Amino acid sequence: DTAVSQTPKYLVTQMGNDKSIKCEQNLGHDTMYWYKQDSKKFLKIMFSYNNKELIINETVPNRFSPKSPDKAHLNLHINSLELGDSAVYFCASSHGPRSNTGELFFGEGSRLTVL
Amino acid sequence: AQSVTQLGSHVSVSEGALVLLRCNYSSSVPPYLFWYVQYPNQGLQLLLKYTTGATLVKGINGFEAEFKKSETSFHLTKPSAHMSDAAEYFCAVSERANAGKSTFGDGTTLTVKP
Repeated sequence: DTAVSQTPKYLVTQMGNDKSIKCEQNLGHDTMYWYKQDSKKFLKIMFSYNNKELIINETVPNRFSPKSPDKAHLNLHINSLELGDSAVYFCASSHGPRSNTGELFFGEGSRLTVL
Repeated sequence: AQSVTQLGSHVSVSEGALVLLRCNYSSSVPPYLFWYVQYPNQGLQLLLKYTTGATLVKGINGFEAEFKKSETSFHLTKPSAHMSDAAEYFCAVSERANAGKSTFGDGTTLTVKP
C-alpha cells in the first residue's frame, strides 16, 4: 500500500504539448510538495500546499500550475512543454509546516522527457 | 536563509570500509537536519534526522550522523560499507519554524567496490 503515489511514472512527449502529473498520499499529512530533480540530480522545491492552500511558490515559470483538490491530492499541470522541462518530478508530503519532525515522504518520481 | 554543502560529489569505498559523507549547513535559526538516500529510479527515503536532543543520531541500515553546531556539520558515517549501500545520498536542512521546506545539498554518489 504505497504511501505517496504518482502517475504516470514515465512521460514522453513533444515540445509544445500540455501534460499533467498526479499525486496522492494516504499518510494523513497536511502538506504536499512538488520537487524537480534535474539530470545532475539537483533537487529543488517548486511548490507546496498545506491543506489545499498554496504556501510555497518558488521561482517557477507560469507554465507550471499546481492544483490541490483536497489535502491528499496534489497535481501538476505543465503547459507548452519545453526541452528544459525534462526532469524527474517528485511529489512529497509531510506533517504541517510547524510540525516537530519536518521529514519528507517522497513518491517514486515521474520522469518527464520532452522531445 | 539556509543552505547545504556536501563535500565530494562522488565517494568510492571498498566493501567493509568506513563510509564518511560530509555535509555542512548554514542556517540563521536552529536547524533540523536530514540525510536521505535515493536508490536508482526510486524516490528519496529518510535515513536519519536530527531535530533536538542527542547530537549523535542513528538511522536505518547502520548509518549514523553527528550534529556539531560549532562546526556547522552533520556528517554521515557507517562503519562497514555493504554493496547495497551504493546510492545517491542527500543532506538537507530546514528551519524549525517551517519544518517542511527543506533545502537539499547537491548529493553524493556512493560507489562500493567489491
